[in-house]
Amino acid sequence: SSELTQDPTVSVALGQTVRITCQGDSLRTYYASWYQQKPGQAPVLVIYGNNNRPSGIPDRFSGSSSGNTASLTITGAQAEDEADYYCNSRDSSGSHVVFGGGTKLTVL
Amino acid sequence: QVQLVESGGGVVQPGRSLRLSCAASRFTFSTYSVHWVRQAPGKGLEWVALISADGSNEYYADSVKGRFTISRDNSKNTLYLQMNSLSSEDTAVYYCARESYYYDSGGHPHYFFDYWGQGTLVTVSS
Repeated sequence: SSELTQDPTVSVALGQTVRITCQGDSLRTYYASWYQQKPGQAPVLVIYGNNNRPSGIPDRFSGSSSGNTASLTITGAQAEDEADYYCNSRDSSGSHVVFGGGTKLTVL
Repeated sequence: QVQLVESGGGVVQPGRSLRLSCAASRFTFSTYSVHWVRQAPGKGLEWVALISADGSNEYYADSVKGRFTISRDNSKNTLYLQMNSLSSEDTAVYYCARESYYYDSGGHPHYFFDYWGQGTLVTVSS
């Protein structure tokens, strides 16, 4: 399969921990990377290579992977974390790119 | 700071063509693969096309293959997307994105988009 599957919506109480998941066959070969997108803005890389954070990304963001599932965890969610989150990877052939459908995170 | 600036979007009639550009700066453009990614209004991200650093390899999503052509001019630090036979389904914000990668302990590459442009809106409408 060349698809990545994400839950469309997830909610978390302010200060609590939330996990967003991404499933797909390509994740058995390639680590997922994760992007945060706020309304009207371009996506921003938050996690790459299983669990690496670019500079400037808070350490409350972390990633993990097992089998065909990748996860993005936010430990101590903040109001500013409310956004859409997308996972992606190369597909199993390595020549194309696939994105998950996105997860809208609401911070209550 | 790395910069990617898209241009060329606008309103175009169905069946017509449009060319997008992405001007890169503050990094060595010729050493990176770059991609086009689009987002229809209210929808998720959709990968469109990839071109390798030296321009020798191009890959396309099935939805655009045969209609869109990705190209680059490394002497001008610019990425292009030629879009032909446009339809309403191509209406979207088009982003260019730089791809980086690293090798894991097993020597396997893993890829990610570390920088994105702000996007340019393409509206296909009569």
